Amino acid sequence: DTAVSQTPKYLVTQMGNDKSIKCEQNLGHDTMYWYKQDSKKFLKIMFSYNNKELIINETVPNRFSPKSPDKAHLNLHINSLELGDSAVYFCASSRGSSGVNTDTQYFGPGTRLTVL
Amino acid sequence: QKEVEQNSGPLSVPEGAIASLNCTYSDRVSQSFFWYRQYSGKSPELIMSIYSNGDKEDGRFTAQLNKASQYVSLLIRDSQPSDSATYLCAARGGDYKLSFGAGTTVTVRA
Repeated sequence: DTAVSQTPKYLVTQMGNDKSIKCEQNLGHDTMYWYKQDSKKFLKIMFSYNNKELIINETVPNRFSPKSPDKAHLNLHINSLELGDSAVYFCASSRGSSGVNTDTQYFGPGTRLTVL
Repeated sequence: QKEVEQNSGPLSVPEGAIASLNCTYSDRVSQSFFWYRQYSGKSPELIMSIYSNGDKEDGRFTAQLNKASQYVSLLIRDSQPSDSATYLCAARGGDYKLSFGAGTTVTVRA
């Protein structure tokens, strides 16, 4: 059973298009995250939701909009894609967020986005 | 200044040797530290977590934490070719966000 799954695994698209990436976790976790990993392997938090509520919103262009229909799903919609958006996007989940120092994050397989 | 810094590597070690990875963090309030392993084209996978000063051992892996020096390290003993990967150090800061270092790529030579 896949704990954290993402679709699609690969996404190739033209500049200016709008695309979505979906994430689902079956671990019963309350918190989900989106990370961006650039070509230099630097992994940076973008958003986090706890029980469908946005709790972390880093300095990310407002072309990126997360949506959490329920605590098992966190989707990422990107409008007007730019060349610089090309990266691997990882979804992750954990049991809880603030106040739980030992909280461990589990990562999905990643979505490699290429903007042409 | 980056919040979490790792020795840049790449680090090449012969099979059977000890690989030593270092990490420093800037947020003094950080309480939790994690080492993730990431194979090329794959997702990060947790291999060690450490919360208290001192050493923590798990199989061939030993994590060391020194909060006074704001320093975390990972030792891989008896390195195997399957240990060849990028190792990411992460620290949970006072804002409870996980900050990652840029990673150290380890190559174990057979």
